[in-house]
Amino acid sequence: QVQLVESGGGVVQPGRSLRLSCAASGFTFTTYAMHWLRQAPGQGLEWVAVISSDGTKKYYADSVRGRFTISRDNSNDTLYLQMNTLSRDDTALYYCARDGSAGWGSHRHDKWGQGSLVSVS
Amino acid sequence: DIQMTQSPSSLSTSVGDRVTITCRASQSIISHLNWYQQKPGKAPKLLIYGASNLQSEVPSRFSGSGSGTDFTLTITSLQPEDFATYYCQQSYYTPITFGQGTRLDVK
Repeated sequence: QVQLVESGGGVVQPGRSLRLSCAASGFTFTTYAMHWLRQAPGQGLEWVAVISSDGTKKYYADSVRGRFTISRDNSNDTLYLQMNTLSRDDTALYYCARDGSAGWGSHRHDKWGQGSLVSVS
Repeated sequence: DIQMTQSPSSLSTSVGDRVTITCRASQSIISHLNWYQQKPGKAPKLLIYGASNLQSEVPSRFSGSGSGTDFTLTITSLQPEDFATYYCQQSYYTPITFGQGTRLDVK
């Protein structure tokens, strides 16, 4: 079955960097766009970034553009989120999620990981 | 950015009730509207996509309707496992945006 497993979260000081990983299995990773989303404690859902199946298209939320970079390694079925210049506002549970259809453009999320907690303090 | 506004923010309901949650987009998103259910400590789960399409393995008591700017999620005959928070999401434009959520709790 489809599995998405995030890792790399932790406690980090403001201004520092962190890289999240998401290991995918149970589906053909190379045919799906992938997303990062986040949820601050007690708050709603916020979309962070999307990357196309081949890695050539990337889009970001205004709140992270210029600080975060989404990337993928299709040879190892892994998604990444490099987070630089972190602030307390970035404290959240970070989810990776599969796009809802093969190819590009559905921008819905049909499979989610369990999340990786990032705490900036 | 497209703003998504859900109502109500919370709803006290009972098992067996019919529940309707509304979601309004700040501009037309055609039918690019999705609904998610989130239970405490769990990742969200996709229920409805494209405004009215039931995601695989989601019970038929869930349904969605609407187009343009106004959408609804309906749960007929609420079950105990349906007490959760529900989010609408527009997937027509980036940045993808969510409503603020509607929490269903026990009356």
